[in-house]
Amino acid sequence: EAQVTQNPRYLITVTGKKLTVTCSQNMNHEYMSWYRQDPGLGLRQIYYSMNVEVTDKGDVPEGYKVSRKEKRNFPLILESPSPNQTSLYFCASSSDDYGYTFGSGTRLTVV
Amino acid sequence: KNEVEQSPQNLTAQEGEFITINCSYSVGISALHWLQQHPGGGIVSLFMLSSGKKKHGRLIATINIQEKHSSLHITASHPRDSAVYICAVIFTGTASKLTFGTGTRLQVTL
Repeated sequence: EAQVTQNPRYLITVTGKKLTVTCSQNMNHEYMSWYRQDPGLGLRQIYYSMNVEVTDKGDVPEGYKVSRKEKRNFPLILESPSPNQTSLYFCASSSDDYGYTFGSGTRLTVV
Repeated sequence: KNEVEQSPQNLTAQEGEFITINCSYSVGISALHWLQQHPGGGIVSLFMLSSGKKKHGRLIATINIQEKHSSLHITASHPRDSAVYICAVIFTGTASKLTFGTGTRLQVTL
């Protein structure tokens, strides 16, 4: 089944403790991206990757890092999480022909 | 400025009603997506459009490139259609980057 797998689904952590949210796709898509969704602000792009070793900032990249060492994986790294990064996060991959496929989301709470 | 506007923000309908959700955007695009987000949070892509019209079951999506406008129609609405519907576009020259509307919250009652 074609899918984007995101883990974990839920995470509660403390301020300053490094964490990684994993994202993996099995569709051989070149484009992958991360979004956060906040009430009243909608979905906003954090980072995106056009291909392996090619990443770039989206609209709200501060406080986040990404890497794209393999085509299928695109992890989101929070080196020093803060409470304002409490949000619902989505990973997605896409192709020109078939559009976007989203992961199930990660609900992150930073206390 | 690249913007996407959706209307209405909230919509309540009775089962069986015909529903229309509208999306307007500010400048040229290469593609427009309609997304559905259920209360559980997951996002599903319903349609990807660059011109004309697409139909899938009771859902129909249309786009008018000249008027920079798209509509999502739901025929014979059902309570399971209750969700947030999000319009997202790829503006010309922005590679594959999605810019999102704020969403339309639809509730269909019996």
